[in-house]
Amino acid sequence: QVQLKESGPGLVQPSETLSLTCTVSGFSLTSNSVHWVRQPPGKGLEWMGIIRSGGSTDYNSALKSRLSISRDTSKSQVFLKMNSLQTEDTAIYYCTGRLDYWGQGVMVTVSS
Amino acid sequence: DIVMTQSPSSLAVSAGETVTINCKSSQSLLSSGNQKNYLAWYQQKPGQSPKLLIYLASTRESGVPDRFIGSGSGTDFTLTISSVQAEDLADYYCQQHYSYPLTFGSGTKLEIK
Repeated sequence: QVQLKESGPGLVQPSETLSLTCTVSGFSLTSNSVHWVRQPPGKGLEWMGIIRSGGSTDYNSALKSRLSISRDTSKSQVFLKMNSLQTEDTAIYYCTGRLDYWGQGVMVTVSS
Repeated sequence: DIVMTQSPSSLAVSAGETVTINCKSSQSLLSSGNQKNYLAWYQQKPGQSPKLLIYLASTRESGVPDRFIGSGSGTDFTLTISSVQAEDLADYYCQQHYSYPLTFGSGTKLEIK
């Protein structure tokens, strides 16, 4: 069955770069898109960006200057990198396949 | 960017009642090419990841009970949950998938009295 699993550091220092990995199984990255969505504690969902089956990307307008999404199809992995982190970037980060398969999410706290 | 305005922000109902959640987009989500509305609804139960309930405004995802009904066109959409059950306790979000960047509504918290 389709599975997506996020991994990465739970704690990031302010101004540093966040690097997350989404490892997928049962799901072809060359046939399907993967999105990243985040959710600050107690708040709503925020769409961050997409990497399509062909490798093209689109980003949230407010984040695009800091955000990069890439992939390694041979490893079935999708990567998120976001720089200049601030405390307001504290959130659960989800990867989702086509928006109908979701990972469990990874909590990232930005704090010194 | 398309702005999604969702209401109410919260509501509390008794089991068996019918619930209506509204979602309004700042521009039409209706494709002139295929006459489909690119609006999705998600359910997020406490402590869980979101789950896609409905896409293209009214198409239920596989396995979603038929008491969840999506309707609307253009800029105004509704999620109706008939005969609410205790397991429907959750936050509900609309999202436009008409154009990038995709955008979510602010969410509706459904509580069961």
